[in-house]
Order: sequence, then structure tokens, then C-alpha cells
Amino acid sequence: EVQLLESGGGLVQPGGSLRLSCVGSGFNFSDYAMSWVRQSPVKGLEWLSVISDSSDKTYYADSVKGRFTISRDNSKKTLYLQMNSLTAEDAAVYYCATNYRYFDRWGQGTLVTVSS
Amino acid sequence: QSALTQPASVSGSPGQSIIISCTGTSSDIGGYNFVSWYQQHPGKAPKLLIYGVNDRPPGVSNRFSGSKSGNTASLTISGLQTDDEADYYCSSYTNNNAIVFGGGTKLTVL
Repeated sequence: EVQLLESGGGLVQPGGSLRLSCVGSGFNFSDYAMSWVRQSPVKGLEWLSVISDSSDKTYYADSVKGRFTISRDNSKKTLYLQMNSLTAEDAAVYYCATNYRYFDRWGQGTLVTVSS
Repeated sequence: QSALTQPASVSGSPGQSIIISCTGTSSDIGGYNFVSWYQQHPGKAPKLLIYGVNDRPPGVSNRFSGSKSGNTASLTISGLQTDDEADYYCSSYTNNNAIVFGGGTKLTVL
């Protein structure tokens, strides 16, 4: 069974940092580009970033460029999102998903709350 | 990148067909055949219904179909069922290597 399991969410103060992880199982993780997508009641679904299967290419949404960094470790079948300089607008459920131009597998999401 | 425009809500009766529109620009929907549609039930992750404008992943019912004309994409759901009641989102690849989503449409099956 294909599974993506996110972790690392929680409560963080404005200006703080958080690193999210996403472990894949049931498929050949290293064959797929991987993306992060978040969802909040205010902004709805928002694509954040993608990393190619071999990590040679990364793209970011303008809203997170320069603050968030996507990376992966194929040996651990794990995708990461380092998030810095967090603001209230970054509060959301964060999903990892396979692929880029469409997202065919999604994790269950991890909640990030930004508050003092 | 501005979000794609979807109606906030649509409704239909069981057995009927409905269409959800998704309007963008020549920089996204109009410029590429990378339109996708997702279904999301409350508390669940989105589920891919359509990719590449009109392709269905394995396991997705053929009651769901997609199309595109100019800068507008459409999702048609035929033979409405009560379980189709959910939120639906469109997305598109854009000319700056980004992905943009629509604001979502709440489908009510009366």
C-alpha cells in the first residue's frame, strides 16, 4: 500500500523555524518528484515547492521563496521542508504529495500553528 | 500567481450531471495541458480525479470527466451520487514553473 506520512508540525512562535518530514512507503520513492502543498481556511490549497527525483531541480512558490527549503534523502525515503521566518500566514495543514504537475498520492497532513 | 477562479458552490440531485468551471489565464490553463482536479471530503486529504485535462487515474470512476476550452477548464460529474458531496479543486501548471490551485467548489447533492 502506498503511504506518505508527514511529521514535524506543531506550535511555533512568529519568526521561528520548523522542519517537516514526509516518509514514503509502498512505492519506489526515488523515482518520483515530490511536492509540498499546504491548506488553510483563508488561502485554500497552495502549492509550495517541488524537488526532482534526484534533487537536481527545485522550484518554489513566490510566497515561500527564500524562507523555505525543500530537500530529500532517497536512502531514507524521506522528503523534508525547512521553514524559517514563519508568520501567522504560514499556519496551515501541510501535505506532501508525489509528482509535480499533478499530485496523485497525498499524505494525511501535519498541522502547523504560528502563534505567540 | 493569482488563484484560479471556481464557483463557490454548485448543487445537484442524485442521478443528475453537474459541471464545475475553473478559469485562469493564458499563463496557466490556456498555455498548458496540465490541468488537474481533486476531490476532498471533510477531514481528508485531496484525492486526484483528473490529470492532464482529461485523464483519469486508475480506480477513478468514469462518471468524472474533464475538458478545457481556452483559459477555462471544466469538471463534469455525471450520475451524481450522495458520496460525491465534497469540495472540488482545480489546479494548473503555470509559466513560471509553479502550480496554482482554484479556490474550491463545494458540491451539495440534494
